[in-house]
Amino acid sequence: GAGVSQTPSNKVTEKGKYVELRCDPISGHTALYWYRQSLGQGPEFLIYFQGTGAADDSGLPNDRFFAVRPEGSVSTLKIQRTERGDSAVYLCASSSGSYNEQFFGPGTRLTVL
Amino acid sequence: AQSVTQLGSHVSVSEGALVLLRCNYSSSVPPYLFWYVQYPNQGLQLLLKYTSAATLVKGINGFEAEFKKSETSFHLTKPSAHMSDAAEYFCAVREKNNDMRFGAGTRLTVKP
Repeated sequence: GAGVSQTPSNKVTEKGKYVELRCDPISGHTALYWYRQSLGQGPEFLIYFQGTGAADDSGLPNDRFFAVRPEGSVSTLKIQRTERGDSAVYLCASSSGSYNEQFFGPGTRLTVL
Repeated sequence: AQSVTQLGSHVSVSEGALVLLRCNYSSSVPPYLFWYVQYPNQGLQLLLKYTSAATLVKGINGFEAEFKKSETSFHLTKPSAHMSDAAEYFCAVREKNNDMRFGAGTRLTVKP
């Protein structure tokens, strides 16, 4: 596609539920990144994939958060037992190589009631 | 770990006036520094980046930034603000392991 796309654009869920957020990177980009942006803050790094493997998952806040990229393209961020504090905009970015420019998607706004 | 600090969460300028958005970084090694812009309901867009090739970096939309090692600063400027420049601006530093560390952002308002 022309750019990074993320679905859904908005997700409202109840505390304790499970959610999945999807990221479609730019075709051919090998590196994929997830960030979380809370209200009034800058994006916070969560996890980085190079191909199918997670090269760095040090930003995941706890074991309720997990991400996969099974075929080295689309990635899914999974959040179990959601909490109100998980409410944020989740951003995805991709790049053509590990140290090249990151292109960002529009984000998924997650609201946990 | 490296970090960035953006001074001023809100900056307001008149159309045609100078834009100055401040960013200071902390790093024990030569940093890779970036400025991104975020328009409402859109993704982050790269304005410019410093990768040690030149201390004055020119970006898109007439913006530029100067890397000053002695001041550990990477301030963003534009000589003349346009209404279309109103947005949120983020300074970021890239870590050795490639993830980005962002500042808290500065919201720029342009008054007619």
